[in-house]
Amino acid sequence: GQQVMQIPQYQHVQEGEDFTTYCNSSTTLSNIQWYKQRPGGHPVFLIQLVKSGEVKKQKRLTFQFGEAKKNSSLHITATQTTDVGTYFCAGRSYGGSQGNLIFGKGTKLSVKP
Amino acid sequence: KAGVTQTPRYLIKTRGQQVTLSCSPISGHRSVSWYQQTPGQGLQFLFEYFSETQRNKGNFPGRFSGRQFSNSRSEMNVSTLELGDSALYLCASSKRQANTGELFFGEGSRLTVL
Repeated sequence: GQQVMQIPQYQHVQEGEDFTTYCNSSTTLSNIQWYKQRPGGHPVFLIQLVKSGEVKKQKRLTFQFGEAKKNSSLHITATQTTDVGTYFCAGRSYGGSQGNLIFGKGTKLSVKP
Repeated sequence: KAGVTQTPRYLIKTRGQQVTLSCSPISGHRSVSWYQQTPGQGLQFLFEYFSETQRNKGNFPGRFSGRQFSNSRSEMNVSTLELGDSALYLCASSKRQANTGELFFGEGSRLTVL
């Protein structure tokens, strides 16, 4: 079945450093979403990417969707303590059972002030 | 606009018991999806309901079931609880079927099985 792998599992950075998490799917995706879950909270939608090679920016966050639509990345520039949390990618495949949203296991980001 | 509401927020059960969790989606949202979140397995898809019909189902045993009512509220039931069922159960709603747009998650129901 479809699998979505996400690396790294954990990332510890000093405030001001950059951070990147990577997401890889075993199948071609129709779209990919990114969510952020703060400690003790629930996942909150960040963005959806649909087109091959798509790049979207939200302030210090840059999201990319690979040309083959099988991988994606989230890059945070100059991390802040407010960026702490777990970042999940979630991909939908074409066809099948209309595309369950399959989540990666997430990258837990900690930021040292 | 009220968000997704899940009840109860916390509950403790013993092995063999059954549990029912409730989810009220955002007003106007017709799709409700359920996810199980555990530290080791992350977010795992349980099932999705749209217009009172189960549209998709994840790879969970038949002890896990759900339903959706005409007002889009949804319930999930877990029978014959096992220790491994301890998890955060998240409900998410969306306007259309969940394969087309963003999901809005509730705070979750944290189940502990003793």
